[in-house]
Amino acid sequence: AQSVTQLDSHVSVSEGTPVLLRCNYSSSYSPSLFWYVQHPNKGLQLLLKYTSAATLVKGINGFEAEFKKSETSFHLTKPSAHMSDAAEYFCVVSEGTSNTGKLIFGQGTTLQVKP
Amino acid sequence: DSGVTQTPKHLITATGQRVTLRCSPRSGDLSVYWYQQSLDQGLQFLIQYYNGEERAKGNILERFSAQQFPDLHSELNLSSLELGDSALYFCASSPLPGGQAEAFFGQGTRLTVV
Repeated sequence: AQSVTQLDSHVSVSEGTPVLLRCNYSSSYSPSLFWYVQHPNKGLQLLLKYTSAATLVKGINGFEAEFKKSETSFHLTKPSAHMSDAAEYFCVVSEGTSNTGKLIFGQGTTLQVKP
Repeated sequence: DSGVTQTPKHLITATGQRVTLRCSPRSGDLSVYWYQQSLDQGLQFLIQYYNGEERAKGNILERFSAQQFPDLHSELNLSSLELGDSALYFCASSPLPGGQAEAFFGQGTRLTVV
């Protein structure tokens, strides 16, 4: 079965400094991986996805993630944090096949951005 | 705005009652998913429908049921409600049934059972 582990439950950075949110996955085959963001009292928004194309995936709002099969990691990065980036971030793996699309969510990382 | 609409946004009800949560997927999306988000369990997959047919089931309680109608909207029915059912319930949709297509989430329905 697929699973994801987000290595930090809480990350705090200063505005303008880099962001690193860590995620390791477990999958018995080549996975589809996603990062979603949830702002307070909002729904989940897709940041980016990896589906076996380029290993470096660029997403919205300056975020990107690198798929490293040897390390089973899919860390999310951003060169310079903005106050509006403060939110909950979820690393997600698809347990689906071509006929089902069940998503397995990590426990989430709360990103705090200090002025 | 993801294009997925969930109603109602908030729901407060008593234990033992039954409620229905409604979801309208993005235009053209045939696949609908339901997820439950709670503080202790995180985000948990409940069930998936594709073009009216159940495709996958997660840890959905027997007191819960769902369906997808011919117009592709979906309803999640929760009955004999317990305090522990209080959670944020998300609906998501995607154009394909499989796992490579990203899912677009609605704003959620916050259910409070008192």
